Amino acid sequence: GEDVEQSLFLSVREGDSSVINCTYTDSSSTYLYWYKQEPGAGLQLLTYIFSNMDMKQDQRLTVLLNKKDKHLSLRIADTQTGDSAIYFCAADNAGGTSYGKLTFGQGTILTVHP
Amino acid sequence: EAQVTQNPRYLITVTGKKLTVTCSQNMNHEYMSWYRQDPGLGLRQIYYSMNVEVTDKGDVPEGYKVSRKEKRNFPLILESPSPNQTSLYFCASSLGQGLDEQYFGPGTRLTVT
Repeated sequence: GEDVEQSLFLSVREGDSSVINCTYTDSSSTYLYWYKQEPGAGLQLLTYIFSNMDMKQDQRLTVLLNKKDKHLSLRIADTQTGDSAIYFCAADNAGGTSYGKLTFGQGTILTVHP
Repeated sequence: EAQVTQNPRYLITVTGKKLTVTCSQNMNHEYMSWYRQDPGLGLRQIYYSMNVEVTDKGDVPEGYKVSRKEKRNFPLILESPSPNQTSLYFCASSLGQGLDEQYFGPGTRLTVT
C-alpha cells in the first residue's frame, strides 16, 4: 500500500520561510494534499496539488511536486506565530482500488519563534 | 453550517467495557472514515465507508467495528477496549470522488485504563 513520510519537527523564526517535505510511494496518486492541525482541533485542508502539476501557489503557500522522485514540499513564506501547528501531507489512492482513501504522513510539528 | 460532529469529545473508560463514539455529518457526503492519531505515527485509517451499508477495513481495523445504516451517521464501536486503543480519534467525511476535501470532526480523546 501507499506509504507517506515526513520529517517530524521544524523550527523557524518569525518572518522566515518554512519548507516542509514529504515523500510518497504510490505513483498513481492523483491528488496530494496538505492539511493543518492546530492544537486541540481537527485537520483542515490547507491546499492541494493535482499530480500533473509541478507547482501551485496560493498566497503565502507554495506547493512543489516532483513526480519523478515522488517528493512534495510545502513552503510557507513570511512564517507567522499563528502558523505554528502540525502539518500533514496526504496522498489519495484514487488511481488504485481504494477510492476516496487518503494515506497520511506522520505530521510535521512546525514551531515558529518570535 | 457544514460540519462533522463527534461525541463524546473526551472519554475515560476501563478495559473491556464496550463503548461507542458517534459521528454525524450534515453535508450529504458519501464517504466517511475513522482515523486514530498517535504521536509519531500520524493518522491511520481504521475503517471507511463508501456509502450506506458499505464498509471496509482501513489500515488498523483490529479491535474496532463500524456500521453505516444511514448516510449521515458512522459510529465507531469498541466491543472490548484495551489500553492500546488509547488514542485521539477523528471522523471524516467527503464526497468520495476526484478532488476530495475530507472534512474532519473535532476529535475524541479516548483513554482506556
